[in-house]
Amino acid sequence: QVQLQESGPGLVKPSQTLSLTCTVSGGSVSSGSHYWSWIRQPAGKGLEWIGRIYSNENTNYNPSLKSRVTMSVDTSKNQVSLKLSSVTAADTAVYYCARDRPPAPGIFYYYYMDVWGKGTTVTVSS
Amino acid sequence: DIQMTQSPSSLSASVGDRVTITCRASQTISSYLNWYQQKPGKAPKLLIYAASTLQSGVPSRFSGSGSGTDFTLTISSLQPEDFATYSCQQSYSLPHSFGQGTKLEIK
Repeated sequence: QVQLQESGPGLVKPSQTLSLTCTVSGGSVSSGSHYWSWIRQPAGKGLEWIGRIYSNENTNYNPSLKSRVTMSVDTSKNQVSLKLSSVTAADTAVYYCARDRPPAPGIFYYYYMDVWGKGTTVTVSS
Repeated sequence: DIQMTQSPSSLSASVGDRVTITCRASQTISSYLNWYQQKPGKAPKLLIYAASTLQSGVPSRFSGSGSGTDFTLTISSLQPEDFATYSCQQSYSLPHSFGQGTKLEIK
């Protein structure tokens, strides 16, 4: 079955760019009607939807982060990536990637996230 | 943006209890509502999508209902493994926002 694994630096300095990769195994990043989403969760707080990317590189970003977020897909490596620029301490969180899919192929509504990576902790500190 | 508000924020219950968690959207979202369960240090797990469809492999004691702006997640008979945090998420319009979570604790 499909598995996701986030990777990247655990410590990023303020004002720098956070860069994470999500490697997809057991399936293709290009398959079906799937998007690939990024979600984050500060310690002790709720989940925040960062955005998502389709295999054709169509993206949707949370407006609250849009000016700082870039997502990309590398079909040759079966990976999706997240970049968040100009980070501050408020960006310290566990970052998850997830498969965002519809109930059936060929439809593009009722999306839900059914496969998640284990998450990676990113701390922003000098 | 659509705001999702869960109630209560925390809840104490006993094994065998019937528990209901509520999620309210700031505007109508039809049935575009998902529920997730999260245990400490773990990734969220999908329980229910499209408001009432049980994800494959999820026990039938979990059920979801509602449409429009008001939704509920019900656990018919709490089991020890159900003590966790539950979050709702709307996928009606972007950004696909989450509720703040409801922590279900053992009484």
